[in-house]
Amino acid sequence: DAGITQSPRHKVTETGTPVTLRCHQTENHRYMYWYRQDPGHGLRLIHYSYGVKDTDKGEVSDGYSVSRSKTEDFLLTLESATSSQTSVYFCAISTSGGANTGELFFGEGSRLTVL
Amino acid sequence: RKEVEQDPGPFNVPEGATVAFNCTYSNSASQSFFWYRQDCRKEPKLLMSVYSSGNEDGRFTAQLNRASQYISLLIRDSKLSDSATYLCVVNRGDKLIFGTGTRLQVFP
Repeated sequence: DAGITQSPRHKVTETGTPVTLRCHQTENHRYMYWYRQDPGHGLRLIHYSYGVKDTDKGEVSDGYSVSRSKTEDFLLTLESATSSQTSVYFCAISTSGGANTGELFFGEGSRLTVL
Repeated sequence: RKEVEQDPGPFNVPEGATVAFNCTYSNSASQSFFWYRQDCRKEPKLLMSVYSSGNEDGRFTAQLNRASQYISLLIRDSKLSDSATYLCVVNRGDKLIFGTGTRLQVFP
């Protein structure tokens, strides 16, 4: 158990509203990631962080922002949610170091529906 | 064409059967490879890394064929609990590429 919790686990919201998803880890790992998973697509990286206040974009970052003010928390914000952002969002951490290590531990996921 | 391709399945096999999945990748510069398991409506979990020499973990064997650019996962003596989706992951160096997964259903 890598000590990752995501909140909320489920959320239904309306188009145009802001949404923030939280990822919390208990083990002070440096690298944290936000992915989305959609049918017909593999997991796709939204943003990642390599330390406090250090973040970078992934392949599907448009419409999303992130913040990491503490080692243990990585927040994903949808400033104005759209129906195309309906998805399952997974937070992940790397325990072996490196931005692109394939050895990730995932949180349980946050299922977001935008109406 | 997707950079990492997997047969979506489902592969329906009886308990005790041996089943194998392949995953092909298009970028010859890919550096490392992994198999993840994902149960329905759950998070992906690392099953095993794939080494050039091949590796085995109990009933699971992973192989890498760089010349033909594919990795494989062999499951022997399938259990009902092996029913899941198996994700192939390729580290291209600058990013991880996830396959869409192969679904396995083991029946009694």
